[in-house]
Amino acid sequence: KAGVTQTPRYLIKTRGQQVTLSCSPISGHRSVSWYQQTPGQGLQFLFEYFSETQRNKGNFPGRFSGRQFSNSRSEMNVSTLELGDSALYLCASEGDSPLTQYFGPGTRLLVL
Amino acid sequence: GNSVTQMEGPVTLSEEAFLTINCTYTATGYPSLFWYVQYPGEGLQLLLKATKADDKGSNKGFEATYRKETTSFHLEKGSVQVSDSAVYFCAPTPGTGGFKTIFGAGTRLFVKA
Repeated sequence: KAGVTQTPRYLIKTRGQQVTLSCSPISGHRSVSWYQQTPGQGLQFLFEYFSETQRNKGNFPGRFSGRQFSNSRSEMNVSTLELGDSALYLCASEGDSPLTQYFGPGTRLLVL
Repeated sequence: GNSVTQMEGPVTLSEEAFLTINCTYTATGYPSLFWYVQYPGEGLQLLLKATKADDKGSNKGFEATYRKETTSFHLEKGSVQVSDSAVYFCAPTPGTGGFKTIFGAGTRLFVKA
């Protein structure tokens, strides 16, 4: 099976812009979680989608949103970008092996 | 609440040295325990896991034993290689879904030739 894919891999935006990141989970996996990774805060959970429904949400402002499509692909959107949003955004899918998360390579976002 | 305490890095070792990275946790219920590894420029990948007390997870020469009495899951390797240089994350997981995975801060390992 193909692994988790994320697009784009790298992105440069300016403050105030908005951005959409995409994640395609492993075929058959219905759960997709998103994380923000920064040197200072480590891995922070953003949200999890399961069968097109947001199942859990972390402690991030409303500028961060997501959705999941019927084919389990997921997108996350960040509006009104701030410098502090610069990070590696990781998505992970969970499926046939319970509780085991399979991570994508991440999207590295730089906000100038 | 749920939390995990992981040995602070960076840890610098010479090739063939013995590695231990400590991990202790507090979590509700009976969590499954994971170690993930992140190589430079990549996402995380599962290294090993254990799902019940006294289970030993192992992979690529790494081992960790589920110690329920001490709520610990220390990672060990008898002889590290330069290619083991990476960041290691301890991740107790009480239930399904990413929200319930508690990631440690990560321990960066440097292995010198």
